[in-house]
Amino acid sequence: KQEVTQIPAALSVPEGENLVLNCSFTDSAIYNLQWFRQDPGKGLTSLLLIQSSQREQTSGRLNASLDKSSGRSTLYIAASQPGDSATYLCAVRLNSGNTPLVFGKGTRLSVIA
Amino acid sequence: SAVISQKPSRDICQRGTSLTIQCQVDSQVTMMFWYRQQPGQSLTLIATANQGSEATYESGFVIDKFPISRPNLTFSTLTVSNMSPEDSSIYLCSAGTSVSPANTGELFFGEGSRLTVL
Repeated sequence: KQEVTQIPAALSVPEGENLVLNCSFTDSAIYNLQWFRQDPGKGLTSLLLIQSSQREQTSGRLNASLDKSSGRSTLYIAASQPGDSATYLCAVRLNSGNTPLVFGKGTRLSVIA
Repeated sequence: SAVISQKPSRDICQRGTSLTIQCQVDSQVTMMFWYRQQPGQSLTLIATANQGSEATYESGFVIDKFPISRPNLTFSTLTVSNMSPEDSSIYLCSAGTSVSPANTGELFFGEGSRLTVL
């Protein structure tokens, strides 16, 4: 059974810092991996999608990497801002068919002005 | 991408009642799923909503408690039956299109429906 772990569970940084969020998964035979952002009491916003054949994806100040063989992904946030404060969730899909995402428990990020 | 609308966005319900949550997607999708997020927790899959057939439930979730309909490729409902305070959660609909040359297989989420059961 696929399990997804995110470290750290919570993180507090001063504004302007670069930071890294970690995600690991037990079954390396994934099809793709998504990073999401969730604001308190809200739904999920998809940030980045990495296919299993890709090594990284970038969107603005966000960069996600994937090392499928070791079962790890990282989300790098450059020059953090207070507006980045949210919970960041990592999730994986096992195949290309009608399969859901399996989620980690998330990292709660606070960026202090 | 797919835009997903859920109704209601929030509700306060009495113990023993039932509530139906609607999920509408702005385009035809092949995949629809329902998740539950209990306070302070991550997302747990309730079931896969199958178009034109019975939903596929995860361990710990049963059809009598969480009946699901999916009459077409853009709409699904989740009913939370005979509610108790333990059902107080955010319920999220997720949708996307299976991987093809034209689709990445990315999954999208609605804003969620926050249920409080008294």
